[in-house]
Amino acid sequence: AQKITQTQPGMFVQEKEAVTLDCTYDTSDQSYGLFWYKQPSSGEMIFLIYQGSYDEQNATEGRYSLNFQKARKSANLVISASQLGDSAMYFCAMSASNTGNQFYFGTGTSLTVIP
Amino acid sequence: DSGVTQTPKHLITATGQRVTLRCSPRSGDLSVYWYQQSLDQGLQFLIQYYNGEERAKGNILERFSAQQFPDLHSELNLSSLELGDSALYFCASSPGGGTLDNEQFFGPGTRLTVL
Repeated sequence: AQKITQTQPGMFVQEKEAVTLDCTYDTSDQSYGLFWYKQPSSGEMIFLIYQGSYDEQNATEGRYSLNFQKARKSANLVISASQLGDSAMYFCAMSASNTGNQFYFGTGTSLTVIP
Repeated sequence: DSGVTQTPKHLITATGQRVTLRCSPRSGDLSVYWYQQSLDQGLQFLIQYYNGEERAKGNILERFSAQQFPDLHSELNLSSLELGDSALYFCASSPGGGTLDNEQFFGPGTRLTVL
């Protein structure tokens, strides 16, 4: 079975600072994908970044980067230069080859950016 | 805007009733996924359809059923509703059916309230 763990229910960061949101995963599969989604208070789920299990480089998308440490089974999201609009829930998710493309989500981290 | 549409946006109904949630995937996407987001269970995968066929099943109750039509839109039917079924129901779509790097594009969700 696949499992995603996000241990930070809530985080605060000063505007313009960087913040790291933690995500660890558990799977016996060798092929899997890791995703981060943002859910603002309006409720929609916004895709941020993807990392494949065989990717050697950490993924980056603008101000978002994924710190992928395969041996530790962690896939932390780093947001640089935080903005007020980054305040939202952030979910880590995983898909694995032996369970098709369904996503397993963590419980989320609520990020608040302080002006 | 993800390109995935869901109707209705809000739904209020009584226990014991039956409702139908509708989803139209992004143009060209063949897979549709349904997720339930509740406070106590978090984001849970319910079911996936790929090009009209059921591809994967998650924590979907027997009272719930879904289908994908030839035009690729999907409907989630919830019957004999209970208070605990109150949740935000997301539909997501992706181009393929089983590759790990397919991000899923989420619709805005249908908020179901069972009174």
